[in-house]
Amino acid sequence: QVQLVQSGAEVKKPGASVKVSCKASGYPFTSYDINWVRQATGQGLEWLGWMNPISFNTGYAQKFQGRVTMTMDTSIGTAYMDLSSLRSDDTAVYYCARGNSGLGRDYYFDSWGQGTLVTVSS
Amino acid sequence: QSVLTQPPSVSAAPGQKVTISCSGSSSNIGNYFVSWYQQVPGRAPKLLIYEDDKRPSGIPDRFSASKSGTSATLGITGLQTGDEADYYCGTWDTSLREFFFGTGTEVTVL
Repeated sequence: QVQLVQSGAEVKKPGASVKVSCKASGYPFTSYDINWVRQATGQGLEWLGWMNPISFNTGYAQKFQGRVTMTMDTSIGTAYMDLSSLRSDDTAVYYCARGNSGLGRDYYFDSWGQGTLVTVSS
Repeated sequence: QSVLTQPPSVSAAPGQKVTISCSGSSSNIGNYFVSWYQQVPGRAPKLLIYEDDKRPSGIPDRFSASKSGTSATLGITGLQTGDEADYYCGTWDTSLREFFFGTGTEVTVL
C-alpha cells in the first residue's frame, strides 16, 4: 500500500532552517508529485507547494517564496522540504502529501504522511 | 487567508444528516475540481472526496458531495460518533496558481 513516512520532530531557534524528509513507498515514486502542507495548532491546513519528480519543477505558495525549497532524491524515493529564516509562527505540523490528477483541472491529495512537528522557540 | 469559505461548525444527533458548504469563486471552484478531506484531531488528513463527487475506495456512501457554480457541498448521512472531525474542502486557484484549503468545519455529533 502507499505509504509516506516523515522524519521526526524538530526544535529550532528563530532564524534557523529546518529540513523535513518524506520517504515514499508502495508506488512508482516518479509517477506523482509530492506536496507539502502545514497546520499550526488549532488552525487550518495551509499549502506550501509542490514538486514533480520527473521534471523537478516546483511551485511554491507566494507566502513562502524565497524561504521554502523543495527537493527530491528519486534514487531513494524521498522528498525534502527546507524552510529557512524560521519564526515562531512557523511552529506547526508539516505534512507531505501525494498529488494526484486525473481529468484535467483536477488536483487532490490522496495519501498523506504522518506529519512532523516543527517547533520554533528561543 | 483562504479563498474558500466554510462554516466553522455544524452539529447533529446520531443518525441525522449534516451538510457543509464551501464557497469560492470563478477562479477556483468554478474552474477546477473540488476535493474534501477529513481530519480527526491529532491525525493526518484523509481524502474523502475527489473530482467533486467521487469517493476513494473504502469511503462509505454516507459521504456524498456536489458542486454548483462557485460552491461545493459535502453531505454526511447516518451521522456516527466516529464522524466527529474537521472537514476541509480544497481546490486549485487558477489566478493565484496555488492550492487552497477551505477554512475548515468542525462536525460535532450531539
